[in-house]
Formats: sequence, C-alpha cells, structure tokens
Amino acid sequence: GAGVSQSPSNKVTEKGKDVELRCDPISGHTALYWYRQSLGQGLEFLIYFQGNSAPDKSGLPSDRFSAERTGGSVSTLTIQRTQQEDSAVYLCASSWGQGNEKLFFGSGTQLSVL
Amino acid sequence: QKEVEQNSGPLSVPEGAIASLNCTYSDRGSQSFFWYRQYSGKSPELIMSIYSNGDKEDGRFTAQLNKASQYVSLLIRDSQPSDSATYLCAGQSGTYKYIFGTGTRLKVLA
Repeated sequence: GAGVSQSPSNKVTEKGKDVELRCDPISGHTALYWYRQSLGQGLEFLIYFQGNSAPDKSGLPSDRFSAERTGGSVSTLTIQRTQQEDSAVYLCASSWGQGNEKLFFGSGTQLSVL
Repeated sequence: QKEVEQNSGPLSVPEGAIASLNCTYSDRGSQSFFWYRQYSGKSPELIMSIYSNGDKEDGRFTAQLNKASQYVSLLIRDSQPSDSATYLCAGQSGTYKYIFGTGTRLKVLA
C-alpha cells in the first residue's frame, strides 16, 4: 500500500474485554514498531519486529499485551482484559530496517476503555 | 528503558522569531537522533535527522548535536503559525529501537 494502514481507527470497548489492533506496513518494510501515546504525552515504545528475528518486547507494559507479525507483514497487537489506563492512541510505524532511518507512521487507533 | 527528555512547553514565540527546542538523552550509546513534528490529532512526521556532532541545516530548520553533553536541539528560523505543533525528539537506542521524548508544544503567535 501507499502508506502504513491501521485499523480500526477508533475502538470503544468495555473494561475487561479483549481488543485486537491491526497494522499493515508499507510493502517491503522489514521493521515494524508499535508505540502508545496517551493524551498529551510522548510516544511510549511497546514492541519492535525486524524481519524473521525474535521481536523486542521490552516495552510491553504487562502480560496482558501481546503482538504478532504474520509472514513478515501484517501485525496484530492484542490487549487482553482491557483496563481504563489502556486508553490511548496506538501508533504503528514501519521502516526499511537498516537503522538510522525514518519511521513511517500510520494514523493510529484511538482506544477508549469504558 | 533509556530516556530522552524534553521540556513539555508550551513554547510561545512571535511569528518571524527563532524557536529553539531542546532535548537531552541518557544513553551514551545512542548514535542517531531525529526530530518529528506532530500536529494535533495527526501522526508524527520526520523533519530532521542528525548523526554527527555539530549542526545540520535544512531550509528553516537546523538540528544541533553535542554528544559530549548528550544534548540535541532544533532551531526553527522565521517561525510561522503553521509551525505550531508538538515536536518530538527521538534517539536510536541499540540497533533499531527508537526512544521518543514526551514532546515540546510550540505555539507561533501571529
């Protein structure tokens, strides 16, 4: 695709429910990142995928959060048993995976947990 | 997690003035630094990258890096109201991880 695509753009859920957020990176990009941005805050690193290597999960805030990347392309971020503090914009970014490079961001998923 | 710190602002400057945005980082191993601009409700977009000590200029933007002081800055000359946004500083930690600061909100007053 022309850019990084994320879906849904908005998600409202009830506390305790599971949610899945999807990211479709730019074709050919081997690196894929998930960040979380709470209202008025910066970007909090969650997880990073590079090609077929094991992902860097060091930013995941709890074991309720998990992510996978199938076939080196589309990624899904899953949040189980959502809590109100999970409410934020979840941003996905991709890059060529060569380091020292520009990240291309998707438009994000606004998650609201009631 | 290594930190990148920024003053949250808002930084208010009159139109036509120079806006100076600052960032410090704690990971001495960081080699590359980036400035992203984020308009309200939008995603970040890259405006400058800098890898070596010194200055790097691109149009009205100048990035400055001082690795000894672990300090990065962004100067915006002839500031315009359209420059009003949040500016995020990011450092590359390790091979591929990019750590972002909390951002500085800039307001350019017409």
